[in-house]
This record gives sequence, C-alpha cells and structure tokens, in this order.
Amino acid sequence: GQQVMQIPQYQHVQEGEDFTTYCNSSTTLSNIQWYKQRPGGHPVFLIQLVKSGEVKKQKRLTFQFGEAKKNSSLHITATQTTDVGTYFCAQTTGRGAGGTSYGKLTFGQGTILTVHP
Amino acid sequence: KAGVTQTPRYLIKTRGQQVTLSCSPISGHRSVSWYQQTPGQGLQFLFEYFSETQRNKGNFPGRFSGRQFSNSRSEMNVSTLELGDSALYLCASSQRLAGSSYEQYFGPGTRLTVT
Repeated sequence: GQQVMQIPQYQHVQEGEDFTTYCNSSTTLSNIQWYKQRPGGHPVFLIQLVKSGEVKKQKRLTFQFGEAKKNSSLHITATQTTDVGTYFCAQTTGRGAGGTSYGKLTFGQGTILTVHP
Repeated sequence: KAGVTQTPRYLIKTRGQQVTLSCSPISGHRSVSWYQQTPGQGLQFLFEYFSETQRNKGNFPGRFSGRQFSNSRSEMNVSTLELGDSALYLCASSQRLAGSSYEQYFGPGTRLTVT
C-alpha cells in the first residue's frame, strides 16, 4: 500500500547544529503534513504542503515539497533543546464522498531527534 | 476552544477482556479518527468517522470497532484483548479550513496496558 519512508530513524545533535529529516514516496503525493511529538506527548500538527516545489518557513523550521511531489524534508536551523522530540511526515490516504478524506493519515516511521546541550 | 479530550488516560486490562475508549473532538469538528501507536509499528490508522458513519478503515482485525454519536463524540472498542494491543490510542479530530489548508488535532491519548 501507499507509504512514506522517513530517514533517519534517529538523529543526535549538539545544540546549535542543524537537523534535517526526509520523507520519500514511490508514488506522487497529493500533499504532505508534518507533525512533532514531544516525549510523552501527542502529535502536534506543524504544517501541510500541497504544491510542487513548495517551501514554507516557520521561524527556524523550513519545510520543502519536492518538484515531483514524491519527497519532502524538514530542516531545523540551529537546534535548541526545545526541539527534542519525534518528527513525523504523513500523507492523506483516505477517501470520502467527493474526493480526499483528510481524516486518514499514513505516517512515516518518524525521526527521533535528541539535542545535547 | 477546548482541545480534543480522551478518557480514560490510562487503563490496565487483562487478556480476554474488552475495553471502551472515549474521545470528544473539538467543537464543530465532524471527523474523528483513531490511531494506534506502538514502538514497533509506529502510528497506525484504525478508522475514521464522519457524521456518525465510518468513512475509512485501517488494517486491523474485527476485534477493533468504533462508533460516532450525533454530537461527534466517538468511542472505540477492543474485544478479547491480546498482549499486543498494549499501545497508546490516539484520537484526532479535523476540519477542512479555507482552500486546501487542513490540520488534525490529536488528543492526549489513552495508554492501554494488557497483562
């Protein structure tokens, strides 16, 4: 079935270093979403990318959607200890009356980020 | 607005028992989805309900079921519990925003331990 492969599984960085996680799909994605889950917490929506080649920024976070809409990346500049957590990409794979149902997400395996002070 | 709430937050059951988990979505959200999260399998979709109808279903056995009420609150039930059902069960509610903008809001989850 449809799935997104996410790498790396783990990433350890020193505070101040940059961090990037990648999601790759063998099929074209209609859109991709990114979530962050803090240790002991629940996933929190970060962003949705829809357009080919789209780039969005949120402070130190930069999200990209590939030109072919088969890959995406999340880059964090100058990590801080507050960035610790697991970052997931997810694609919508559900179907409802009239088209896509956004209520069904297929998640990547996640990248666990550890930031050493 | 209040966020997504789930009850109970923690639950311990024994094999063979059944369990019912509850989720109250954000006011106005009509779609409620359920996910199972385990260290080995990650986040896996269970099912989605929209206006009291199951709209999508994941690849889980029939022991997993759910329903949605007219006020959009949802319950999921797991019968004949197995050790492998130990997991964090997350509920998410969602609503389409303007254009193609969309996001899901997750609740804090119910941590189920089967012994």
